[in-house]
Amino acid sequence: EPEVTQTPSHQVTQMGQEVILRCVPISNHLYFYWYRQILGQKVEFLVSFYNNEISEKSEIFDDQFSVERPDGSNFTLKIRSTKLEDSAMYFCASGRDLQETQYFGPGTRLLVL
Amino acid sequence: GIQVEQSPPDLILQEGANSTLRCNFSDSVNNLQWFHQNPWGQLINLFYIPSGTKQNGRLSATTVATERYSLLYISSSQTTDSGVYFCAGDQGAQKLVFGQGTRLTINP
Repeated sequence: EPEVTQTPSHQVTQMGQEVILRCVPISNHLYFYWYRQILGQKVEFLVSFYNNEISEKSEIFDDQFSVERPDGSNFTLKIRSTKLEDSAMYFCASGRDLQETQYFGPGTRLLVL
Repeated sequence: GIQVEQSPPDLILQEGANSTLRCNFSDSVNNLQWFHQNPWGQLINLFYIPSGTKQNGRLSATTVATERYSLLYISSSQTTDSGVYFCAGDQGAQKLVFGQGTRLTINP
């Protein structure tokens, strides 16, 4: 069964550094998402992406964040200058249509020191 | 935006017991999903269920869209069912809003 994959599984970085989190959505999906979960809290929406542009973003998704689909298979989340409070599990998700299941990847656990 | 409330926040059961988890929404939703977050942090899809009833093995879910709630039933619980269960919904805005989760602990 096709699945969403994410790399790396874990990343440790220093405050102020740039990080890029990578995702490979399911191949015939058209809608792509990033969510995050701070330890012990609920999962929060960051951004949705369709037709090569952002379609919705949350207040969390400020100018430090950007997303890109650099080729036909990858979907990336970049954090330009990481802060301590960016430490969280980041989930990528994809969906075939708006009224269908969003499938989540296994997550990247980011720790900012 | 919509608010999602899950109950109970914590549930501790013995292996073999049945359980019911509830999810209430402050407004109607177009999409509704249930997830199980395992001890490694992975979010496992359980159901996509904006309305009606679905069953998958020992798990089943019912959503009453007109009354803005959904229920997840787990029968004959096993220790591997332990973890946090989340429901999430959206109103067609392409963003799932998650509840705070129900932490289920199944003791042997």
